[in-house]
Amino acid sequence: DAGVTQSPTHLIKTRGQQVTLRCSPKSGHDTVSWYQQALGQGPQFIFQYYEEEERQRGNFPDRFSGHQFPNYSSELNVNALLLGDSALYLCASSLAGLGDYSNQPQHFGDGTRLSIL
Amino acid sequence: GNSVTQMEGPVTLSEEAFLTINCTYTATGYPSLFWYVQYPGEGLQLLLKATKADDKGSNKGFEATYRKETTSFHLEKGSVQVSDSAVYFCALKLTGGGNKLTFGTGTQLKVEL
Repeated sequence: DAGVTQSPTHLIKTRGQQVTLRCSPKSGHDTVSWYQQALGQGPQFIFQYYEEEERQRGNFPDRFSGHQFPNYSSELNVNALLLGDSALYLCASSLAGLGDYSNQPQHFGDGTRLSIL
Repeated sequence: GNSVTQMEGPVTLSEEAFLTINCTYTATGYPSLFWYVQYPGEGLQLLLKATKADDKGSNKGFEATYRKETTSFHLEKGSVQVSDSAVYFCALKLTGGGNKLTFGTGTQLKVEL
């Protein structure tokens, strides 16, 4: 049973460029969330996708956008990269339950390490 | 706003020592509380959770009790092993708040022989 898989594992970009990160959820999961984890910090919630729509968003600028495909996989796009975007980007998947998903555990991938030069 | 505060690390212990990592929270509603563990080069793994006051979450010898009166969820283990060396994150999720997890800054644990 494959867990959450993310690609690529490492990526180096320069300021001003654009980047796309990819995530395949755990088998049977239909909800994907993205987090940014700066070095030495806890993960910060970027947004969540369910049924191919953004359902919830954290305090991140519009440069951060995403997409969910019919097979539940997801992409995170970041435009006009800044040095401060250097971080580990984590994808988490879960199964949408009734109500607010409070009892649905989230499974995390190993992340994509993005370095901006 | 909602936030989680953890004790700063690193915490360095000898094998078989008792572990406590403090976690307190501020929340506008009634959160569920979680402990996640992150091993070097890996993503986060759910260690344990508690969804209401006085619940005790436990897993792999770790346990934490949801204390509403002190807004705390301290992580404990009676006898740590070298393999427990990792970064531990306390997190909350609000009831009715969707899937968003709010994390603390993490506490690094180093266990030595």
